[in-house]
Amino acid sequence: DAGVIQSPRHEVTEMGQEVTLRCKPISGHNSLFWYRQTMMRGLELLIYFNNNVPIDDSGMPEDRFSAKMPNASFSTLKIQPSEPRDSAVYFCASSPRQGAGDSGYTFGSGTRLTVV
Amino acid sequence: AQSVSQHNHHVILSEAASLELGCNYSYGGTVNLFWYVQYPGQHLQLLLKYFSGDPLVKGIKGFEAEFIKSKFSFNLRKPSVQWSDTAEYFCAVRGNNRLAFGKGNQVVVIP
Repeated sequence: DAGVIQSPRHEVTEMGQEVTLRCKPISGHNSLFWYRQTMMRGLELLIYFNNNVPIDDSGMPEDRFSAKMPNASFSTLKIQPSEPRDSAVYFCASSPRQGAGDSGYTFGSGTRLTVV
Repeated sequence: AQSVSQHNHHVILSEAASLELGCNYSYGGTVNLFWYVQYPGQHLQLLLKYFSGDPLVKGIKGFEAEFIKSKFSFNLRKPSVQWSDTAEYFCAVRGNNRLAFGKGNQVVVIP
C-alpha cells in the first residue's frame, strides 16, 4: 500500500491567493483527518470525516477554511483567501474503523504551506 | 473532549542514557493510547499503542510504555537511547474516534 498520499509537498503562495491541499487516504480506511502543525500550537485537529461525511469541523479556524471529501479516495482542504498566519505543515491522516485490531492513524508526509 | 499533557518539552541526553517521557490525559470514557515519533522533516509514525490487556506495551526500536489507569498516564521509556532517536515524540489519546495530541517532546541525543 502506498500509504496516505498528500500533494503538494510544498506550497508557497502570496497572501490573498487560494490554496488547495489534497489527500488520498489508504484504501479501505473509512475515517480521514486534517491536522495543522505549528511551533506555537503543536498538532491541531481541523476536521474529520467518517465515511465521507464531515463529523466535526470545530477545529477549522475560520470561514476561510473549507474541506470536502467527494468520495472515499479523495479529500481537499482549501484556504481562501490565504494569510501569512496560515503558514504551517498540514497533515492528512486516515484510519480504519475503530476497533481492537486497528493500527490507529496513518499520516501522510504533509504539505508545508508558506504564505508570504 | 479529551486532552493530553506532555511535560519537559525539550530533553537533551547522551547516547546510552535512559529516556522517560511523561504523558497524562483526561477523558471520561474508554480511551486508546498512542505514542508517535516525528523524525526531523518527516511525518508522524506510530511507535506503539495501547488498547486493552497488558498495561506494559512494547513498540518498535526498543521503546515501551506503561498505562497506569489510576494516574491517567501513559509514559514512554527507552533504557538506552541512540543518536538516531533524536526526534519529536507525541503522546495521543483517542476517544470517540477523535485523536488528540500532546504538545510533544523534542528529544536530542548527543553522540
